[in-house]
Amino acid sequence: EAGVAQSPRYKIIEKRQSVAFWCNPISGHATLYWYQQILGQGPKLLIQFQNNGVVDDSQLPKDRFSAERLKGVDSTLKIQPAKLEDSAVYLCASSLDPLAGVPERDTQYFGPGTRLTVL
Amino acid sequence: AQKITQTQPGMFVQEKEAVTLDCTYDTSDPSYGLFWYKQPSSGEMIFLIYQGSYDQQNATEGRYSLNFQKARKSANLVISASQLGDSAMYFCAMRGGWNTGFQKLVFGTGTRLLVSP
Repeated sequence: EAGVAQSPRYKIIEKRQSVAFWCNPISGHATLYWYQQILGQGPKLLIQFQNNGVVDDSQLPKDRFSAERLKGVDSTLKIQPAKLEDSAVYLCASSLDPLAGVPERDTQYFGPGTRLTVL
Repeated sequence: AQKITQTQPGMFVQEKEAVTLDCTYDTSDPSYGLFWYKQPSSGEMIFLIYQGSYDQQNATEGRYSLNFQKARKSANLVISASQLGDSAMYFCAMRGGWNTGFQKLVFGTGTRLLVSP
């Protein structure tokens, strides 16, 4: 079974530029998550989708970050304009059924991440 | 609010020895799940083990076991017979119940494990 795919793996941009990240979840997984991991910290949830609807975007800086999951499968996360403090690894994760309450169905599986450097 | 605390920034262990990575948590939810993930230098978060708050027995997965002490709110990861490939960052995470954002994972700051030959 293929895992969560992300691209690009690395991106270097200058501040005030725009950038977009792509994620394709594990086939059949209804829930998709975007996390931001700043160096030396644990991942922090930015946004959670259930199919193509947003469940939680309370920690997404909406003045510059946006995300969509149009057909309930793959997703894009965009930053416009980027700031120096956006330098981080952006992780995408997916889970089968978040309401199942059993580990086989609600465990989140992560992709390899995109390492963003803003100069 | 949910909180995960990992007090060990770094741990050293010799190959083939066992090591315990500490994790304490705080939540007001009666129902929650605890996870451990491994993050090698490549960056991917690899799921290791899960413990549900109502599980009567400690979880085990191969060389990984979770020492779950509910009254103490601790969920320590035990790695038996350490291997060089176990060198990585290890994160403890908690999924809350309906009261605190179901399915939202809150992570600790991680512990870097270094296994020496």
